[in-house]
Formats: sequence, C-alpha cells, structure tokens
Amino acid sequence: GAGVSQTPSNKVTEKGKYVELRCDPISGHTALYWYRQSLGQGPEFLIYFQGTGAADDSGLPNDRFFAVRPEGSVSTLKIQRTERGDSAVYLCASSSRGSQGDGYTFGSGTRLTVV
Amino acid sequence: AQTVTQSQPEMSVQEAETVTLSCTYDTSESDYYLFWYKQPPSRQMILVIRQEAYKQQNATENRFSVNFQKAAKSFSLKISDSQLGDAAMYFCAYRSALGGGANSKLTFGKGITLSVRP
Repeated sequence: GAGVSQTPSNKVTEKGKYVELRCDPISGHTALYWYRQSLGQGPEFLIYFQGTGAADDSGLPNDRFFAVRPEGSVSTLKIQRTERGDSAVYLCASSSRGSQGDGYTFGSGTRLTVV
Repeated sequence: AQTVTQSQPEMSVQEAETVTLSCTYDTSESDYYLFWYKQPPSRQMILVIRQEAYKQQNATENRFSVNFQKAAKSFSLKISDSQLGDAAMYFCAYRSALGGGANSKLTFGKGITLSVRP
C-alpha cells in the first residue's frame, strides 16, 4: 500500500480482556517496528522484525505482550489480560533494508483504552 | 544506552517568526543519525529533517534547519517563517549507525508542543 496502515484506529477494551492490533506495512518493506506512546511521552520501542523473525524484542514490557509477522508483511501485536496501564497509542513503522539513515514511515497508530 | 532529552515541554511562536526547539542526547557512539519528527493530531509521525553525525554540515530542508553540535551532543531545530500548519508536537530521535538488531531502533525524547499564534 501507499502508507503504513494500522487497524483499528481506536480500541476500547475492558481490563483483563485480550486485544490484537494490526499493522500493514508499506509493500516491500522488510523491517517493521512497534512503539508504544503513553500520554505526554515520546514513543518507546517495543519490538523490531526483520522479515518474519523478531530481531529485537527487548522493549516488550512483560510476557502479556507478544507480536508476530508470519509472512513477513502484516504484523499483529497481541496483548493478553489487559491492564489500565496498557492504555496508550501503539505506533507501527516500516522501512526498507539498507535505509539505516532514513527515518521510518509511521502509521497513524491505534489508541488503546483499557477501562 | 542512548538517551534523548527535550527539556522544553511547550513553546509558542508568532506566525512568520522563527523558533528554535532544543534537544540534547547522550551516547558513547561516534557514528549515528539524529532526526526531528513532527506529530500532528492525526498521530502519524512525519520526518522533518535528519542529520548524519559524521557530516559536519548542518542539514537544511526548506524552512527547517538544524544546529548540530557533536561535541556538546546538542541537536536543535530551527523553524523559519513559522506557519499555522507547523503547530504540532515535535520529537527529537536518535538511531545508531551500527547495523541490525538492537541498533536499528529509534530512541525518542519526550517531545515539545509547538503552538503558532496567528
């Protein structure tokens, strides 16, 4: 596609529920990143995929968070047993391999609200 | 680990005037990239300008320019002829120039909210 697409745009869920957030990167971009942006803060790194594999998942806060990218394109961020502290905007970004000096292309994010 | 600090939470500028947004960072690496991103209410992060640490010349993109001081680890953004559409949050970000894995992520500052007065 022309840009990075994230769905849903907004998600409200009850504490304890499971949620999935989807990211559809730019076609051909092999690198995909997930970031979490809490209110009034800058984005914080969660996980990075190069192709299908997670090259760096050091930013995932705990084992309730998991992400997959089974075919090297679309990625899903999964959050189990959601807590109110998980409320944030979850941003996805993609880039082509070799574009180290370039900024990534970001999506518009999913605003997750846990009530 | 690298850190990025934006100590000004908010700034305001009169339309058509010039404003400078500050950013400092900390790293032990000698080669890296620095970025300024704009985030309007639509939430999408938009790349404004980037600087390669090994280049001494400050980057410029139309009305946007940077003052990169490597020894001081300072990277400020100057917006000239401010326009109403420049109002947004601005984030400074760092990325290692080393390839792959943990080095490819961006580290962001907390951001600054810029308002433009008509």
